Amino acid sequence: GAVVSQHPSWVICKSGTSVKIECRSLDFQATTMFWYRQFPKQSLMLMATSNEGSKATYEQGVEKDKFLINHASLTLSTLTVTSAHPEDSSFYICSARVGGTAFFGQGTRLTVV
Amino acid sequence: QKEVEQDPGPLSVPEGAIVSLNCTYSNSAFQYFMWYRQYSRKGPELLMYTYSSGNKEDGRFTAQVDKSSKYISLFIRDSQPSDSATYLCATDSGGGADGLTFGKGTHLIIQP
Repeated sequence: GAVVSQHPSWVICKSGTSVKIECRSLDFQATTMFWYRQFPKQSLMLMATSNEGSKATYEQGVEKDKFLINHASLTLSTLTVTSAHPEDSSFYICSARVGGTAFFGQGTRLTVV
Repeated sequence: QKEVEQDPGPLSVPEGAIVSLNCTYSNSAFQYFMWYRQYSRKGPELLMYTYSSGNKEDGRFTAQVDKSSKYISLFIRDSQPSDSATYLCATDSGGGADGLTFGKGTHLIIQP
């Protein structure tokens, strides 16, 4: 299957700082990537759809100024959590669609202290 | 009513047993059906992918989709301790432009 690589796999940051998470499609081009958040023992919740060369589309209730998404190339999308707070601590996962299915990155565990 | 319902479990079975995991969905527009396996603190891994109704088999795994009853299933034969994970069903209607709709995930435990 297609490979999606996400980096870093875990990060700890201080409250008030910003954190950038990268998502790369390694063996295919992805004009659209998706960012999910997952809390413990919960399912994946779609946060936003990242579109190459245009603005991201955010799901209702997701603050676009806090979660900045950039999709500058066909193989790279980034999610920046700005002014992070402890309640932003979660597992963030990116994915890219290939035909009717989707492949996921390894996920990034963010802990804000 | 949520779009995809899935019993979160946990479901505990002995090694070697046949495991049956199920989801129901409400949106008749869904055409694509997937099962993902997720180990703790890892991203979901695609196990099975089915378009429309029918069965699909891959090794020890069989996926079934019954669109008339809006019911999707995953069967695991000869279950192994390494199959212990959370299994997520996912659906989609458009085939590429949207994020998937996930069930809550079933936590499966295979007892040695």
